[in-house]
Amino acid sequence: DAGVTQSPTHLIKTRGQHVTLRCSPISGHKSVSWYQQVLGQGPQFIFQYYEKEERGRGNFPDRFSARQFPNYSSELNVNALLLGDSALYLCASSARLAGVSYEQYFGPGTRLTVT
Amino acid sequence: KNEVEQSPQNLTAQEGEFITINCSYSVGISALHWLQQHPGGGIVSLFMLSSGKKKHGRLIATINIQEKHSSLHITASHPRDSAVYICAGGATNKLIFGTGTLLAVQP
Repeated sequence: DAGVTQSPTHLIKTRGQHVTLRCSPISGHKSVSWYQQVLGQGPQFIFQYYEKEERGRGNFPDRFSARQFPNYSSELNVNALLLGDSALYLCASSARLAGVSYEQYFGPGTRLTVT
Repeated sequence: KNEVEQSPQNLTAQEGEFITINCSYSVGISALHWLQQHPGGGIVSLFMLSSGKKKHGRLIATINIQEKHSSLHITASHPRDSAVYICAGGATNKLIFGTGTLLAVQP
């Protein structure tokens, strides 16, 4: 069974542009969470989606948005990119409403570089 | 002060040594996760525990709920254990991560 997949693996964008990152959870998992990991730091929570609804949002500006599709895959969108958005973006899936008592399975991440 | 703190930040060990990484948290959590991250970014979940102790191979994780403290132990360390080890507290709808411990095991 395939694990969590993310695309693309690497991405280079220019300041002011828009980016869409994609995540496919493990089959049967209904919860997807997004995290941002800046170099040298631990991941920071961005969003959690469960059953296509937003169930949690971290301290990120409105330039960050996400959605979850009927097949439970998810997109993370970032508008008006800033240099500080350069980071590894991690997606994690869980069978249930996650983070608390259910194990999260992480994808390989998308490394975004903003120039 | 971070809600989840780890120590040490960097750790160098010789192959075969017993290693301990510590994690303290100041927020209410329902589970404590230990994760491993290799260069390149991929994260693997090692343990999720809410009480007591868990063991998997050479890895042991313990948690003391009253003291809000957890430890990850690696017995008979090996160069392939070299990675960043991250603890994360499971709070409502999210994980709160520590900054990680960079472990280098030298042959």
